[in-house]
Amino acid sequence: GENVEQHPSTLSVQEGDSAVIKCTYSDSASNYFPWYKQELGKRPQLIIDIRSNVGEKKDQRIAVTLNKTAKHFSLHITETQPEDSAVYFCAASKGTGGFKTIFGAGTRLFVKA
Amino acid sequence: DADVTQTPRNRITKTGKRIMLECSQTKGHDRMYWYRQDPGLGLRLIYYSFDVKDINKGEISDGYSVSRQAQAKFSLSLESAIPNQTALYFCATSAAGAIDTQYFGPGTRLTVL
Repeated sequence: GENVEQHPSTLSVQEGDSAVIKCTYSDSASNYFPWYKQELGKRPQLIIDIRSNVGEKKDQRIAVTLNKTAKHFSLHITETQPEDSAVYFCAASKGTGGFKTIFGAGTRLFVKA
Repeated sequence: DADVTQTPRNRITKTGKRIMLECSQTKGHDRMYWYRQDPGLGLRLIYYSFDVKDINKGEISDGYSVSRQAQAKFSLSLESAIPNQTALYFCATSAAGAIDTQYFGPGTRLTVL
């Protein structure tokens, strides 16, 4: 069945460094790729997303890249800050009837001050 | 996001008891979902509904049932709770269409003794 693999499961960086989280998906029909951030004790919330007709999208310190041929997409956080510490989930879905979103297993990011 | 609410927020119960978790939304979304979150396992889909008359099993539906009472309400039942159903449960909603951004409720922490 459809699958989304996410790496690494844990990532520790120094404040100010960059962090990169990578995901691969199995269903080539997937066309929407959101990223969610879950702070400790909180609900997951969308931070950035990308559609399959776009290769890269940026929003301030965060960016997402998509390689449709390789079926992988990545989240890049630059100039990390302690408040970036959280669990990040990637996901993939396709906008046709009967679809559902498949989530990656999550990456726990620690930003050390 | 106050538009998606869940009750109760915390529940402790005993093995064999029937439990109902409720989700309400004021976002006007047609699609609603129930996820389970365990440490290190990310978000796993239990059931989902694309409209009031539509119910679909997710990847881990055994031991659970759902009811879509109205567009705004989607409840999850554990017929006979067991300890390995101890987890954090999230309800989510999304609008019909190609962009399946999911909006999560605050979560229900369920402990089965």
